[in-house]
Parts: sequence; structure tokens; C-alpha cells
Amino acid sequence: ELKVEQNPLFLSMQEGKNYTIYCNYSTTSDRLYWYRQDPGKSLESLFVLLSNGAVKQEGRLMASLDTKARLSTLHITAAVHDLSATYFCAVDMETSGSRLTFGEGTQLTVNP
Amino acid sequence: NAGVMQNPRHLVRRRGQEARLRCSPMKGHSHVYWYRQLPEEGLKFMVYLQKENIIDESGMPKERFSAEFPKEGPSILRIQQVVRGDSAAYFCASSSVWNTEAFFGQGTRLTVV
Repeated sequence: ELKVEQNPLFLSMQEGKNYTIYCNYSTTSDRLYWYRQDPGKSLESLFVLLSNGAVKQEGRLMASLDTKARLSTLHITAAVHDLSATYFCAVDMETSGSRLTFGEGTQLTVNP
Repeated sequence: NAGVMQNPRHLVRRRGQEARLRCSPMKGHSHVYWYRQLPEEGLKFMVYLQKENIIDESGMPKERFSAEFPKEGPSILRIQQVVRGDSAAYFCASSSVWNTEAFFGQGTRLTVV
């Protein structure tokens, strides 16, 4: 059974600081996704990582994937209050079609 | 090209009533996935359907829950005799073919009173 673990689950940080969210998964996966969710809202797709060593950046967020370690990271650079949200990683496997297994989510609060 | 459409966005039901949640996939998509998000938790897979077929229902509760995706019309997630524990956000996602990226709808927030 595929398992996805994120840490930390809760992250409170000050504006301007850097931090990393980690996502470990238990078996070989085809794709790894990062999503953002604001309270009461749907999922916003941030990144799709397809291959070992993949790195993608959008604004203050950068995601990377190490398939050998079964680890993805979401790095936040110089955080701003607008980044406050819950961030989920999710993986799928070729044998499960597009079915996703999600991590528990990291609730990020950026304080002024 | 409209995205995945779910309705209603919010649904309130009394205990014992039935809830019907609808999902219209993106145009050209024939694969639909339903997920449930309990308060303060991540999304959990419920069921995967193609047109007229249930492919994987390993995440569906054994009783009271059913899903369909008819040849014509939206996919329906049906919850019979709702209980307070069914209160959650239910998300639908669709993909065009097997093993391609799926796109999420806005979700239906079910509240059982």
C-alpha cells in the first residue's frame, strides 16, 4: 500500500524566512504533485514532478524530487503572509491510473 | 474549456436523509475520481469510475455510499441515510485517459445536522 508522509504538519514562520516541507512516499511512483489549499477552498495545483532530479520553481516556491530516496521537498524562500495555506503532496502510480494518495498536509502560517 | 464542475457547492442534510453530489468532468475526460476530506485532514480516495464502469471502489465505505458515472450526464456520489460523520468536503477529479494528470473540481461541502 502506498503511503505518503509529510513533515512538519504545522509550520509557523516569520515573513522573510526560508523553510522546507518534506514529503516521503513508500513505493515507486510515476508522478508527484504539490497542491495548495486555502481554508474552505479547493486544491490549487502548484507543481507536477515527473522524474528524478526534477526541480520546478514558481515565485517563492521551489519543488524538487529525488525518486531514489522517495523524497520531495517544497522550499519556501523569503516567506510572505500570502503563502499562509495548507500544502499537500500527492503521488500516483501507473498501476492505479490517475488515483492519488495524499499526504496529511502541512499547515503553514506566515506571521508578519 | 470549463473545468471540473461540482454541484451543489454546499449541501445541508438532516440525519437520515440522502445526499446526492454531482460531478461533471472536463470536456473530453472520461475518468472520474472521488475523494473525501474530513475536517483538518488530507484527501482520501473513495472511488474511480469510467463511463458506466466502476474501476476501483476500494476507498468507499461498505454501506450507504454508492457512485455511478452513466453514459450520459454527470457522475453521482450518493450517500444514503447520512450521519454526522459524513460531514466533509467531497472532491471530484477527472482525467482524459489512464494515468494522466487529474484536475480537481471546487468540491461539495456536506453538512449533516
